[in-house]
Amino acid sequence: QIQLVQSGAEVQKPGASVRVSCKASGYTFNNYGLSWVRQAPGQGLEWMGWISTHNGKTNYAQKFQGRVAMTIDTSTSTAYLELGGLRSDDTAVYYCARVWGSFDYWGQGTLVTVSS
Amino acid sequence: DIQMTQSPSSLSASVGDRVIITCRASQGIRDDLGWYQQRPGKAPKLLIYAASRLEGGVPSRFSGSGSGTEFTLTISSLEPEDFATYYCLQHNSDYSFGQGTKLE
Repeated sequence: QIQLVQSGAEVQKPGASVRVSCKASGYTFNNYGLSWVRQAPGQGLEWMGWISTHNGKTNYAQKFQGRVAMTIDTSTSTAYLELGGLRSDDTAVYYCARVWGSFDYWGQGTLVTVSS
Repeated sequence: DIQMTQSPSSLSASVGDRVIITCRASQGIRDDLGWYQQRPGKAPKLLIYAASRLEGGVPSRFSGSGSGTEFTLTISSLEPEDFATYYCLQHNSDYSFGQGTKLE
């Protein structure tokens, strides 16, 4: 079955960086793009960007440009989100989602807490 | 950027009620829209894609309609497990979500 399994919760200090992984299984990894979405506590869903698993091309939401990087490792069918310059308002659950037009499969989410 | 305006932000309803949630796009997006259900502590789940197509395994009481700038999600008869938060997502130009509708 199709699964996206994300890495575990993280606690980081302001100004630090965090990397979240998303391992795909049950389908051909490079046939579908991946997006990253975050959700702050009690808030709605926010799209962060998209990466092509075919060639690694990225498209980041303007809000995150300059401090976000999305990468892939096709040998392990894993995508990575790195967010730098962390602030308290980056505290959120981060999701990866498979892109097929809309987002049809989602990871379980990774809680990133930014706290001094 | 395309803005998605979802209404209402919250909705009080009862089991058996018919519920309609609306999303309006700031510009035309053809039928490049999906609807999602999110329960507390869980990832969103795709219900409807291409504005009106039911995702596999989703009960037929869910339906979607619309094209261009106006879209609706209809739940024909609420079941207890339908009390959740619903989001629309456009994928015509980049991606953007509606603000969500909490069904309670």
